[in-house]
Amino acid sequence: QQQVKQSPQSLIVQKGGISIINCAYENTAFDYFPWYQQFPGKGPALLIAIRPDVSEKKEGRFTISFNKSAKQFSLHIMDSQPGDSATYFCAASMDPPGTYKYIFGTGTRLKVLA
Amino acid sequence: GAVVSQHPSWVICKSGTSVKIECRSLDFQATTMFWYRQFPKQSLMLMATSNEGSKATYEQGVEKDKFLINHASLTLSTLTVTSAHPEDSSFYICSARGYRGGAGELFFGEGSRLTVL
Repeated sequence: QQQVKQSPQSLIVQKGGISIINCAYENTAFDYFPWYQQFPGKGPALLIAIRPDVSEKKEGRFTISFNKSAKQFSLHIMDSQPGDSATYFCAASMDPPGTYKYIFGTGTRLKVLA
Repeated sequence: GAVVSQHPSWVICKSGTSVKIECRSLDFQATTMFWYRQFPKQSLMLMATSNEGSKATYEQGVEKDKFLINHASLTLSTLTVTSAHPEDSSFYICSARGYRGGAGELFFGEGSRLTVL
């Protein structure tokens, strides 16, 4: 129940394309779902996060879609750029953010081709 | 904005020695910090939750006598890998709750890469 399943494991997208990463969770107590971006040798950095009271959140080229009934959420990167090449982790936790431990997905290695 | 600093960023040590990694919240106080371990091309695995002024809470399977955590102040938590062995080689990352734009958020340090020879 504490797992967060993430797919795909790796993703190759052409520059300008849309990158889509999916996550699914089991624990209905989770109510905070962040996405993190990690470059090699660096710590993760928060990209965008969503709570279950909304079905979609957009920040620039990054959009989270959330399906509460299906217990799934996804990250969409529009107009993908080579600089977006990194590993992306979804996570699940409980509000307020940072108060409770985060359960991370297995990660998706994104490569955007120039 | 909130920043979490880790030191050292990388360390190489001989088998059997102990290594201390520091995690500091630079412009905010953190009563709770989290320590993660990450193997190459794998996810972040929570090792323990570090609570200021009290004992750390370790995740199942993490040896508390092997990975000593001390959270002596509101801005500093340390992880000591005792009697390190090659299998302890990993990327260790700490995180702390801070605020950005008025909203709470979990900030991560840059990580510390430990290589045990």
